[in-house]
Amino acid sequence: AQSVAQPEDQVNVAEGNPLTVKCTYSVSGNPYLFWYVQYPNRGLQFLLKYITGDNLVKGSYGFEAEFNKSQTSFHLKKPSALVSDSALYFCAVRDSGSGNTPLVFGKGTRLSVIA
Amino acid sequence: DADVTQTPRNRITKTGKRIMLECSQTKGHDRMYWYRQDPGLGLRLIYYSFDVKDINKGEISDGYSVSRQAQAKFSLSLESAIPNQTALYFCATSAVVGRTDTQYFGPGTRLTVL
Repeated sequence: AQSVAQPEDQVNVAEGNPLTVKCTYSVSGNPYLFWYVQYPNRGLQFLLKYITGDNLVKGSYGFEAEFNKSQTSFHLKKPSALVSDSALYFCAVRDSGSGNTPLVFGKGTRLSVIA
Repeated sequence: DADVTQTPRNRITKTGKRIMLECSQTKGHDRMYWYRQDPGLGLRLIYYSFDVKDINKGEISDGYSVSRQAQAKFSLSLESAIPNQTALYFCATSAVVGRTDTQYFGPGTRLTVL
């Protein structure tokens, strides 16, 4: 079975400070990992994904995520937060050996960037 | 994403009514999905379809049905709506490129069942 956990319901950070949104996963094989962002009254937007290769993945809007196999984590990061980054963030996972199994999403983490 | 559209965007209905939510896409993707979003519960998969002749139940399919009318259209029906089906509903599409697929979401339908 595959699962994903986002341990923080809410993350608050001051504008200009670095931000981290945490995600851990569980799969039996190798993971495919994704981050999505949801702005108010909008659908989810794809930010970035890890398939294989370099553990540091760069995505949209200056976000990046680091894949750590030993810690089964895929934390989302940004060096300098903007107020406009305030949104709901979702991590998702699929087992690479699971064939056609759909993505499993975490419960989401609400990021608030304070000016 | 403007390539995935959902109608209606908002709907208020009464208990026991039949409701249909529609999703259309111009991305040319084979795979389509229906999710519901509830505060604190994240996204939960209702049904998914990997091609026109393929329909699969997701995590929470009870009380829902779907129809894949064409590659570009995937409808979700609530045969007899109940208040705990009040939620935000999302359609998504994807296509395998390389090793995996990336899902793209519509803007959502806010459904309220009174």
